[in-house]
Amino acid sequence: QAGLTQPPSLSEGLRQTATLTCTGSSNDVGYEGAAWLQHHQGHPPKLLFYRNNNRPSGISERFSASRSGNTASLTISGLQPEDEGDYYCSAWDSSLSAWVFGGGTKLTVL
Amino acid sequence: EVLLVESGGGLVQPGGSLRLSCVGSGFIFSKCWMTWVRQAPGKELQWVATIREDGSVEYYVDSVRGRFTISRDNAKNSLFLQMNSLRVEDTAVYYCVDPDLSWGQGTLVTVS
Repeated sequence: QAGLTQPPSLSEGLRQTATLTCTGSSNDVGYEGAAWLQHHQGHPPKLLFYRNNNRPSGISERFSASRSGNTASLTISGLQPEDEGDYYCSAWDSSLSAWVFGGGTKLTVL
Repeated sequence: EVLLVESGGGLVQPGGSLRLSCVGSGFIFSKCWMTWVRQAPGKELQWVATIREDGSVEYYVDSVRGRFTISRDNAKNSLFLQMNSLRVEDTAVYYCVDPDLSWGQGTLVTVS
């Protein structure tokens, strides 16, 4: 099954702002929007947003999400050391009837 | 608090079977599509299977179709994954997921 496209890595400075992108198609990201996950090694993925910009309870407001066409974006402001990790996007592909994932972006906080 | 708790992972030989279970709490389980996602060591997240809220329709990734079966018991807030004809490449941590709510802690399946 086809996947979503994420840049493999991103580095930003402490207390700066990072913007991660996720590009799909009208069948997935452009259909019902994307979910964003934060994943630290040895821990389960943590849902940050679902269907674009719906934030589950307990997620910091330093995290925000948006979508433009078939590209979803995750913005993290005031970067902290604990924000380092892997970030994945996912979406339901209506043409494949399947969940598709991006390959993940490894965020480094300098 | 939304909780998803998996169980049933373990070590199994190639060709063997395992049944994973997941119990959900803190949300209306019977109204949610539920999903299994896995992550092999050092690899990316991979969607495995999804089932609609009433169990009427199931969806599978090509690599497990015909070998794995997803099912649910809404009366017990439970999700299952029956895995047959297991292969070495099925080795992974398996997560129970409600994509709009939460992920479970995962259960490790090792096929060796």
